[in-house]
Amino acid sequence: KAGVTQTPRYLIKTRGQQVTLSCSPISGHRSVSWYQQTPGQGLQFLFEYFSETQRNKGNFPGRFSGRQFSNSRSEMNVSTLELGDSALYLCASSRTGGGDEQYFGPGTRLTVT
Amino acid sequence: DQQVKQNSPSLSVQEGRISILNCDYTNSMFDYFLWYKKYPAEGPTFLISISSIKDKNEDGRFTVFLNKSAKHLSLHIVPSQPGDSAVYFCVRMAGGTSYGKLTFGQGTILTVHP
Repeated sequence: KAGVTQTPRYLIKTRGQQVTLSCSPISGHRSVSWYQQTPGQGLQFLFEYFSETQRNKGNFPGRFSGRQFSNSRSEMNVSTLELGDSALYLCASSRTGGGDEQYFGPGTRLTVT
Repeated sequence: DQQVKQNSPSLSVQEGRISILNCDYTNSMFDYFLWYKKYPAEGPTFLISISSIKDKNEDGRFTVFLNKSAKHLSLHIVPSQPGDSAVYFCVRMAGGTSYGKLTFGQGTILTVHP
């Protein structure tokens, strides 16, 4: 079956702009988690959505937000972009979250100039 | 703050030899750990896991050991193959109200030379 897909794969934005990233989970998976990977901080948990509700949240400012649709697809939004937001954003899906194995997408590489 | 630390940024081994990747953790109330492998331009993929009711879990060439008293775990790959060259992440799975949330170590770049 198809894996987790993320669009776009690469994105260049300017400071102050906002950006929306998209994630389509594996069919049948209802939990979607987002992670940010940077050279300095490594891979950090942003938030998790399950059945259109945010269930867990990491330690990121309110500029980072997300949502999940009824078909389990998820989007994350970053407003007022800063240079430090340049990172690889990874999405992972699992059947119900919790202890289920998470399957990661290839990520979206965001560059803020 | 629950942390997962991989103190070796890189490891280089010869094909056929053993690779040992190490990880230390702090303040864990729910000991469930995973190892993920990541190739360039791909997302991490699950490799193997271990829970606190075990001190060892084996899957083919991969074995993970957990020493709860030392708060240390290690991943052994025997024999190592060039295709194992990747970044390996030690990952803690949270329990309680954050059940399922993954906390990643900084990763260790493994290079297996033919």
